[in-house]
Amino acid sequence: SYVVTQPPSVSVAPGQTATITCGGDNIRYKSVHWYRQKPGQAPILVVYDDRARPSGIPERISGANSGDTATLTIRGVEAGDESDYYCQVWDSSFDQYVFGPGTKVTVL
Amino acid sequence: QITLKESGPTLVKPTQTLTLTCTFSGFSLNTTGVGVGWIRQPPGKALEWLTLIYWGDDKRHSPSLKSRLTITMDTSKNQVVLTMTNMDPVDTGTYYCAHTGNYGSGSLDFWGQGTLVTVSS
Repeated sequence: SYVVTQPPSVSVAPGQTATITCGGDNIRYKSVHWYRQKPGQAPILVVYDDRARPSGIPERISGANSGDTATLTIRGVEAGDESDYYCQVWDSSFDQYVFGPGTKVTVL
Repeated sequence: QITLKESGPTLVKPTQTLTLTCTFSGFSLNTTGVGVGWIRQPPGKALEWLTLIYWGDDKRHSPSLKSRLTITMDTSKNQVVLTMTNMDPVDTGTYYCAHTGNYGSGSLDFWGQGTLVTVSS
């Protein structure tokens, strides 16, 4: 089945840019979605279809997808951005949703 | 406004069958493209997709858990029911239901609050 990888953790100072990667074989041909999850809360969708943002998600959060890597970028990081972030794709070969292992973003 | 809420037992014994209900509002499972899925998360671990049902009763299951999962829908009650057989302590975790409005590769755009299920004798 399709496998996606994420770095376990990313640390970033307030005001700087956090970049979270989601790796997979030819992932550029898949629609990648990103979720943010704070402790004790349900995940929320922050980017869908590689780069689209649901209403209410600020423009400083953006997505991109090319080659074997999709990327979630958070500009002007704030303390409230400290969360776990998961990427997700649809594995058409096995007809299943696949989540990445998650990346914990720590704001220094 | 789309909302979903999971309900069911908080504690099940090993080998028992788990039945969880997702009650939703703000959309209909009679609408083309719409689906409701189940995702779980063991304590301190990553999200794991389990199963999903689309309008028209089209279903998808995690290949690794397919033999244990059943998903059904009741459009008159706006409910989706998950059953998982032969529960084991490793199945302990928070179980979420979520909405998708895009058949196939669609994102899960609305989630329930989740319900914690503990498997223990």
